[in-house]
Amino acid sequence: GENVEQHPSTLSVQEGDSAVIKCTYSDSASNYFPWYKQELGKRPQLIIDIRSNVGEKKDQRIAVTLNKTAKHFSLHITETQPEDSAVYFCAASGTNAGKSTFGDGTTLTVKP
Amino acid sequence: ETGVTQTPRHLVMGMTNKKSLKCEQHLGHNAMYWYKQSAKKPLELMFVYSLEERVENNSVPSRFSPECPNSSHLFLHLHTLQPEDSALYLCASSQDYTGELFFGEGSRLTVL
Repeated sequence: GENVEQHPSTLSVQEGDSAVIKCTYSDSASNYFPWYKQELGKRPQLIIDIRSNVGEKKDQRIAVTLNKTAKHFSLHITETQPEDSAVYFCAASGTNAGKSTFGDGTTLTVKP
Repeated sequence: ETGVTQTPRHLVMGMTNKKSLKCEQHLGHNAMYWYKQSAKKPLELMFVYSLEERVENNSVPSRFSPECPNSSHLFLHLHTLQPEDSALYLCASSQDYTGELFFGEGSRLTVL
């Protein structure tokens, strides 16, 4: 099945700095790569996603890049703010339901 | 009610009890999921249902028994659980397997 590795497991940055979280996946059939944010005590929520026919996608301060050849994708957050502090999960999935797999999460702390 | 709702939010049970977790989605989605979230494995897929048919059982012990009576409701029946089953159980739904997952708030289970 699919295997998703996520790094780093924890990340601490100063407010205003950028944060980058990286994920690698193993199954070349995966074609959908979402990122979820989970604030303390709350449900995970989608913040951005990318499909395999696109190399980069941006939404205000958040961007995701995908390298299909290398099987890795990254989340970039610019001008970080304290409210960006949360756990971020990457995931990879395809047309097979069983291949929907999450990374182990990155705990991002933004210090004011 | 909108989105995905789960009940109960908190559950404490002994190892010999039988209880059930309930999930309801109001989004008209065609796929529903149970995930287990614990410190050991942050987001672990347990079961996937598509149009009321189970399409994935991710090697989950038989003491967890899912039921999907219709496309809007999903249950997780629990019996003779172990203390290591204590975790947050998240229900989610999506439109197809490569769409955004909408999570419920989760049911926090403690097995004594």
